Amino acid sequence: RKEVEQDPGPFNVPEGATVAFNCTYSNSASQSFFWYRQDCRKEPKLLMSVYSSGNEDGRFTAQLNRASQYISLLIRDSKLSDSATYLCVVNPPRGTGGYNKLIFGAGTRLAVHP
Amino acid sequence: GAGVSQSPSNKVTEKGKDVELRCDPISGHTALYWYRQSLGQGLEFLIYFQGNSAPDKSGLPSDRFSAERTGGSVSTLTIQRTQQEDSAVYLCASSFGRGQRNYGYTFGSGTRLTVV
Repeated sequence: RKEVEQDPGPFNVPEGATVAFNCTYSNSASQSFFWYRQDCRKEPKLLMSVYSSGNEDGRFTAQLNRASQYISLLIRDSKLSDSATYLCVVNPPRGTGGYNKLIFGAGTRLAVHP
Repeated sequence: GAGVSQSPSNKVTEKGKDVELRCDPISGHTALYWYRQSLGQGLEFLIYFQGNSAPDKSGLPSDRFSAERTGGSVSTLTIQRTQQEDSAVYLCASSFGRGQRNYGYTFGSGTRLTVV
């Protein structure tokens, strides 16, 4: 089983739609969680951290469900400029040799059309 | 500098040649990471430097790959006797050091390596 799994998509949605991505992770003791955005032929950029209580940044809402080991990202009122690949990212727990090393999912592609 | 700087941005090399990729992290970031991304694939961890500690080399795919970080700042990733399967985008990232919380990385724009 992969450490971080995502639906590769693509998700094709019209402008203004609400779209949600889920991601699952294998290590229940993982520490920190993030969503990154990667545009075509560009480097990944941090979109938002994911906190246990859930957090919102404008049109973007991230949720963490530790019991089920999944993370979600909700995008409301999609814009053309939201078209990108969204990477789910997990920080393994201390003591695994991976502390402070982020594990990246393969990404979910989003295409927003007019 | 303001961001993570990588050079060269593109490199085409012949199979069997050695290449060096450079990364200059954000000033004050003590942690530095190398990842690579093959076409259409996810990011693959290569190596991690944290301050003066021994690097975590667990992701290096073979002994043809090595990296060093001098003076706790600039890092060089060296690939010896390049093979076609080494073709990928090599991404460097930096972050604040270890702690109870990971604040995420800042990536450079990468070096696109093509082995012909």
